[in-house]
Amino acid sequence: DGGITQSPKYLFRKEGQNVTLSCEQNLNHDAMYWYRQDPGQGLRLIYYSQIVNDFQKGDIAEGYSVSREKKESFPLTVTSAQKNPTAFYLCASSLGLRKEQYFGPGTRLTVT
Amino acid sequence: GESVGLHLPTLSVQEGDNSIINCAYSNSASDYFIWYKQESGKGPQFIIDIRSNMDKRQGQRVTVLLNKTVKHLSLQIAATQPGDSAVYFCADWGGGTSYGKLTFGQGTILTVHP
Repeated sequence: DGGITQSPKYLFRKEGQNVTLSCEQNLNHDAMYWYRQDPGQGLRLIYYSQIVNDFQKGDIAEGYSVSREKKESFPLTVTSAQKNPTAFYLCASSLGLRKEQYFGPGTRLTVT
Repeated sequence: GESVGLHLPTLSVQEGDNSIINCAYSNSASDYFIWYKQESGKGPQFIIDIRSNMDKRQGQRVTVLLNKTVKHLSLQIAATQPGDSAVYFCADWGGGTSYGKLTFGQGTILTVHP
């Protein structure tokens, strides 16, 4: 099956710890994205990558970091600098910018 | 800052009725709009899109209308079914410095009663 996978579905961490969320796609898409969703809110863009070894900050990049060493993978690290890390994190990919984005199932991160 | 927003946060309809979900946008440079459906605990799914050179586009049971004069778009769902119950988001690709960013609205919760 082609698609986007995110793991794990639920993640719990203690405050002060960094945590890395996984996102893998086998759609051969060049572009990948990370969004954050809070309850009752729309999605907000954290980082996006148009191509391997390149990425740009989105609207809320502070406290997050990413890497894009492989076309299929775009992991997101939530650092201890992120003030309110508890949220639902969604990864997406597309053939290119402004092409249809396909979303993964999401990871719900809870930091206590 | 500029954003995409929704007029109504919730909408309840009876099965078989037509549903209309509205969205206002403020970025005058936006030229490409998308509607997504998100079921609880899942990622959004693409429904339909429309570019700014069009004012209407139809899909299967869905129609999107775009009024650039008042910066408004709507999603019409015909013969709404219980499986249509979800949160619906409009989103736009902005122009200029926002060219590569998809901006989402707050979302409308659609509940379809059997």
